[in-house]
Amino acid sequence: GESVGLHLPTLSVQEGDNSIINCAYSNSASDYFIWYKQESGKGPQFIIDIRSNMDKRQGQRVTVLLNKTVKHLSLQIAATQPGDSAVYFCADERGSNYKLTFGKGTLLTVNP
Amino acid sequence: NAGVTQTPKFQVLKTGQSMTLQCAQDMNHEYMSWYRQDPGMGLRLIHYSVGAGITDQGEVPNGYNVSRSTTEDFPLRLLSAAPSQTSVYFCASSQQGKQPQHFGDGTRLSIL
Repeated sequence: GESVGLHLPTLSVQEGDNSIINCAYSNSASDYFIWYKQESGKGPQFIIDIRSNMDKRQGQRVTVLLNKTVKHLSLQIAATQPGDSAVYFCADERGSNYKLTFGKGTLLTVNP
Repeated sequence: NAGVTQTPKFQVLKTGQSMTLQCAQDMNHEYMSWYRQDPGMGLRLIHYSVGAGITDQGEVPNGYNVSRSTTEDFPLRLLSAAPSQTSVYFCASSQQGKQPQHFGDGTRLSIL
């Protein structure tokens, strides 16, 4: 069935390295994509989003890349810090009423 | 600015008991939604509302009821709790027609 999924369930990096978290989607009708960060015991926190008419968007230390040809989304975190340790979720909006469909999440661990 | 507030933070129920999970937002957001989060499953949409007096079903609505009598509040009701409803429940809100959705910190519900 159609889904938003992740290539890797866990990612471990050294402090200061760049992190890349990947996400695959299968619904070609999806026109909005979003990344959330979830720390232990907290709700998801918005990081960055992108619409399907763009292929790249940058924020503070984060960049989202969208490749519609292969239906792939990635989140790049520059100079990863211990405070970046969390579970990262991608989600897409498909159809009407702003409903989000979430992937299963990637646990990012930053080693000092 | 409190954002999205969920109460209670933790709750233990016995099978067959009823309960209402509360969600309130002070951002005058028209759109509100409920998700459940289970290990390895990501977040799944239960019910959503595009404004006061309007609600609709999400991906996993069975066993849950909602109502939206005011813009600020969107309670989720479990009429007869079942162990399969043990989960973490998140409420979210956003401006009508806009993303991203803003999440509360969740209610952790255990049903024995």
